[in-house]
Amino acid sequence: KQEVTQIPAALSVPEGENLVLNCSFTDSAIYNLQWFRQDPGKGLTSLLLIQSSQREQTSGRLNASLDKSSGRSTLYIAASQPGDSATYLCAEIKAAGNKLTFGGGTRVLVKP
Amino acid sequence: DTEVTQTPKHLVMGMTNKKSLKCEQHMGHRAMYWYKQKAKKPPELMFVYSYEKLSINESVPSRFSPECPNSSLLNLHLHALQPEDSALYLCASSQLDMGFLTGELFFGEGSRLTVL
Repeated sequence: KQEVTQIPAALSVPEGENLVLNCSFTDSAIYNLQWFRQDPGKGLTSLLLIQSSQREQTSGRLNASLDKSSGRSTLYIAASQPGDSATYLCAEIKAAGNKLTFGGGTRVLVKP
Repeated sequence: DTEVTQTPKHLVMGMTNKKSLKCEQHMGHRAMYWYKQKAKKPPELMFVYSYEKLSINESVPSRFSPECPNSSLLNLHLHALQPEDSALYLCASSQLDMGFLTGELFFGEGSRLTVL
């Protein structure tokens, strides 16, 4: 059973366009939501962690929002660059839990 | 220092070999994880150690044997693997609060395993 969903699975945008990546989760008992970036064949790099008491987190060109009532998180990347091309994964942490549940990821290609 | 170090980066082994993957972190994290990742799929949890004790085993075959010698080290012992076990094996660590995951997970770069 897929509890965390990321749509679309792949996305291609021209350089300079803003990126909007979606993450949906079914369990409202979410504690944290974490966004990661993964380059091909590499490990996961943590981008942002949003705690359930927060509505958003920002780091540079990245902004992540969390709406528990609708079961959604959105990652915005402003003014995309070719170096932003990667797979982006969201993962939820349930309250009183000690493991992440990952979405399927969105593969992003930013064309120069 | 937010680094999780994994060795080796690449490993090729036959089905009768015994090998080990190693993971190290010096962030004082008390939870350590092994994940398996196949191409174009998200990571799948294998094991979780909390306070150096195995707390989660996601029904992983016994040919994979985890070990946590101390709070900074995590090993994954491999024996009699199958070709379908070829994957990227990722180690991660995190802080715990009252035994629960409350903060970020930090991942290593992974060990690429090929079973011939």
